Amino acid sequence: SQQGEEDPQALSIQEGENATMNCSYKTSINNLQWYRQNSGRGLVHLILIRSNEREKHSGRLRVTLDTSKKSSSLLITASRAADTASYFCATDDGGFQKLVFGTGTRLLVSP
Amino acid sequence: DADVTQTPRNRITKTGKRIMLECSQTKGHDRMYWYRQDPGLGLRLIYYSFDVKDINKGEISDGYSVSRQAQAKFSLSLESAIPNQTALYFCATSDLIPGVGDYGYTFGSGTRLTVV
Repeated sequence: SQQGEEDPQALSIQEGENATMNCSYKTSINNLQWYRQNSGRGLVHLILIRSNEREKHSGRLRVTLDTSKKSSSLLITASRAADTASYFCATDDGGFQKLVFGTGTRLLVSP
Repeated sequence: DADVTQTPRNRITKTGKRIMLECSQTKGHDRMYWYRQDPGLGLRLIYYSFDVKDINKGEISDGYSVSRQAQAKFSLSLESAIPNQTALYFCATSDLIPGVGDYGYTFGSGTRLTVV
């Protein structure tokens, strides 16, 4: 079964707006990662946040992690049409064994 | 060349046929994975391997087998393909990120398999 659920399943915004995606997971983790997938292509790693971190930034990306609620959020600021893609959260299984993915959020950014 | 290369990119096969999907990597990573992606279900793990002699079943291994021919090569086989194995298949590798202590993953571009 999937480790995580993502919310919303789909998000449509205008260029320049911020996009926020949420991820919930079920078990204890060592880290949580966010990936991006352009339509039908491979996944590209965006950012990793460790279980002892609460917030992390990378360029226009901001990730938060709340281990007490088993949830994370990804914020993309000042979105661009090129940000149109599906975004997935993924957690390790607590033992550095393998990644378990959420169901993804489809983001559409209109010019 | 891509760090993780999957072949073929697209394949249409008939029910009951045996088919092999291949993955090769130039990252020098020991850990390799096969995932399957279906619409609305995200990625699900089929098999993973932590070195040439180590093969482990994932979440949905039934109907699949794998072979780790070398550190750089990890193949996925469908012994007798069925239509519900129609999906997008991804190979990935991982290794420790220096100074971070966590594993970073690199994905191939995927193989789109259709079983008719």
